[in-house]
Amino acid sequence: GAVVSQHPSRVICKSGTSVKIECRSLDFQATTMFWYRQFPKQSLMLMATSNEGSKATYEQGVEKDKFLINHASLTLSTLTVTSAHPEDSSFYICSARAASYNSPLHFGNGTRLTVT
Amino acid sequence: AQKVTQAQTEISVVEKEDVTLDCVYETRDTTYYLFWYKQPPSGELVFLIRRNSFDEQNEISGRYSWNFQKSTSSFNFTITASQVVDSAVYFCALSETGNTPLVFGKGTRLSVIA
Repeated sequence: GAVVSQHPSRVICKSGTSVKIECRSLDFQATTMFWYRQFPKQSLMLMATSNEGSKATYEQGVEKDKFLINHASLTLSTLTVTSAHPEDSSFYICSARAASYNSPLHFGNGTRLTVT
Repeated sequence: AQKVTQAQTEISVVEKEDVTLDCVYETRDTTYYLFWYKQPPSGELVFLIRRNSFDEQNEISGRYSWNFQKSTSSFNFTITASQVVDSAVYFCALSETGNTPLVFGKGTRLSVIA
C-alpha cells in the first residue's frame, strides 16, 4: 500500500540552529502534503498545506519565515524549522495525498524535535 | 467551520471491559469524511477507519465497531473486550471531500489495565 516516509524520526538540536524534516511519498505522487504539529498531550494542529510547485499556505498563527516549507517535487516536501528555540520542541507529522480526487490521506511516522 | 469534539479526555478500563469513545462533529458540508486514528506511545498515527457522510451503516472490524449517526452528528467508536495493547490516544477527525486536510478532535487517552 501507499507509504509516506518521514525523516528523521527524532532530532535534538541546540537553540538557534535550523532543522530540516523530510516527508516522502514512496509509491505515489503527492500533489498536496499537510504538515501538522502536536504538543505533548495535545491534538494535531495543522500548520500548513504544501502544494507541489507553489508556495505553501500557512494556518493563522504559524510563522512562515520560521517554518519554511518546500514542495519541489511530487514525492518530497520538506519542513525547515529555522533558528529553533525550546518552544519549538514538538512532534511534527506530515501527511500526503495523491492527485486523484478523494484519494486517501497517508501519514508519516512523525518527527520528535527537541531543542535544547 | 469544521469542528470535532471528543469530550472524554481520559478513560481507564479494566481488561476485557467494553469501552466506547465518543466523537461529535460539526460541519456545514453535506459531503464529508470521518476518521478514527490510534496513536500509541511511539507517536505514529494508525489509521482505523474512514467513513463518508452518505454511508450510515455501522461497521464492525474484529473487536472494533463504529456507530455513525448523522441525526446527532456523532461517530462513536467501541472496543469490545479491551486489551492492554489497546492503550493509546484515539483521535476522531473530519475532512471535506477533495484535497482538504483533516481536522482532529483533542483525542481520548485510553488506558486498559490488566
